[in-house]
Amino acid sequence: DAMVIQNPRYQVTQFGKPVTLSCSQTLNHNVMYWYQQKSSQAPKLLFHYYDKDFNNEADTPDNFQSRRPNTSFCFLDIRSPGLGDAAMYLCATSRDLLGGTDTQYFGPGTRLTVL
Amino acid sequence: DQQVKQNSPSLSVQEGRISILNCDYTNSMFDYFLWYKKYPAEGPTFLISISSIKDKNEDGRFTVFLNKSAKHLSLHIVPSQPGDSAVYFCAAGGQGGANSKLTFGKGITLSVRP
Repeated sequence: DAMVIQNPRYQVTQFGKPVTLSCSQTLNHNVMYWYQQKSSQAPKLLFHYYDKDFNNEADTPDNFQSRRPNTSFCFLDIRSPGLGDAAMYLCATSRDLLGGTDTQYFGPGTRLTVL
Repeated sequence: DQQVKQNSPSLSVQEGRISILNCDYTNSMFDYFLWYKKYPAEGPTFLISISSIKDKNEDGRFTVFLNKSAKHLSLHIVPSQPGDSAVYFCAAGGQGGANSKLTFGKGITLSVRP
């Protein structure tokens, strides 16, 4: 089945130690998104790629970076994780940038713990 | 500043009865609204959507109503089933271009009692 896959499902890192989260998709979608969701909060968009074009949300901290080496893969790099970065990180894809008319498909998420 | 608000964190209903999940928004530029459903250990999955040119959209047991003047939408599930127990997110956005991103609410946890 075509899907959005996130690895690992659970990640534990130490304060200040760089960490990379991975997302892959078999849908061949043009757009890939990264959301951060803290407990009992709404998913918050960090950035998205439309093909190779990177679009950062204005309030996304510089500590968060992303890479998309090809259509299928997208990575979230947290350069120096702080305790406040502990959250669920959701990857999503959509066929195009058609806003609400274009369904976003989500992966299962990676839960990040910062010690 | 929450632009999409789901003020009730949880809802419990009896199997077979109606579930009504509410959502309010503040941004009048939103013109497309969606509901996503999330089971534990899974990502959100798309459930149903509605464009601002409509006031109702129905898909099987699920109906979404939009009241633009009140900036309010609701999801009705009739009849509710135990398998509907999940977290439901309301989301809003534009129809593309500069308004392509979705803004989500905090979610409502629905429990359907057998």
